Amino acid sequence: SAVISQKPSRDICQRGTSLTIQCQVDSQVTMMFWYRQQPGQSLTLIATANQGSEATYESGFVIDKFPISRPNLTFSTLTVSNMSPEDSSIYLCSVLVWGTDYEQYFGPGTRLTVT
Amino acid sequence: EDKVVQSPLSLVVHEGDTVTLNCSYEVTNFRSLLWYKQEKKAPTFLFMLTSSGIEKKSGRLSSILDKKELFSILNITATQTGDSAIYLCAVGSSNTGKLIFGQGTTLQVKP
Repeated sequence: SAVISQKPSRDICQRGTSLTIQCQVDSQVTMMFWYRQQPGQSLTLIATANQGSEATYESGFVIDKFPISRPNLTFSTLTVSNMSPEDSSIYLCSVLVWGTDYEQYFGPGTRLTVT
Repeated sequence: EDKVVQSPLSLVVHEGDTVTLNCSYEVTNFRSLLWYKQEKKAPTFLFMLTSSGIEKKSGRLSSILDKKELFSILNITATQTGDSAIYLCAVGSSNTGKLIFGQGTTLQVKP
């Protein structure tokens, strides 16, 4: 398994500002992901962040809006830029680890409210 | 387009009842199907299924996968109020690690 922590756990931000969310894992992992869960919705993948390469974004998400850093195998950041109320969501970091098979775990999430 | 569909979307039962949650999928390069329980924020990993017909069991929860008919079920027996949560089904595609999530089933267990 993997223990994942995120900072901040929640924040209230003003429209037009940016917020950087940090994700820390207790072990080295190759594959790390950022998901978004809008109110009342299921989880949607934003991007895959692998160390040593640029993040791969899913359709509908762009680097200018959601820049990602992955400086090492235990840490990543996601920035939500130029925020609008539509960005109000829970943002979750996730990692893929090898146990008896590939298993995927989620961090506690960051609840973002944009006013 | 890859998709994962869960049913029912919501369910209300009483303590002691048995429930069955369904998950069907159409995903290219299927690798695995995962079940998660989400109570407040982060989904909690329950099961990962990769082979057809092999039941995975953890206490009162069990799950099985049918790769021919492209579905999985999650059973919860003798439900308790603590089982109240959103249950998410996700399918992993090939070796990319990406998960495609269903809409979730909201389960409410009444005393």
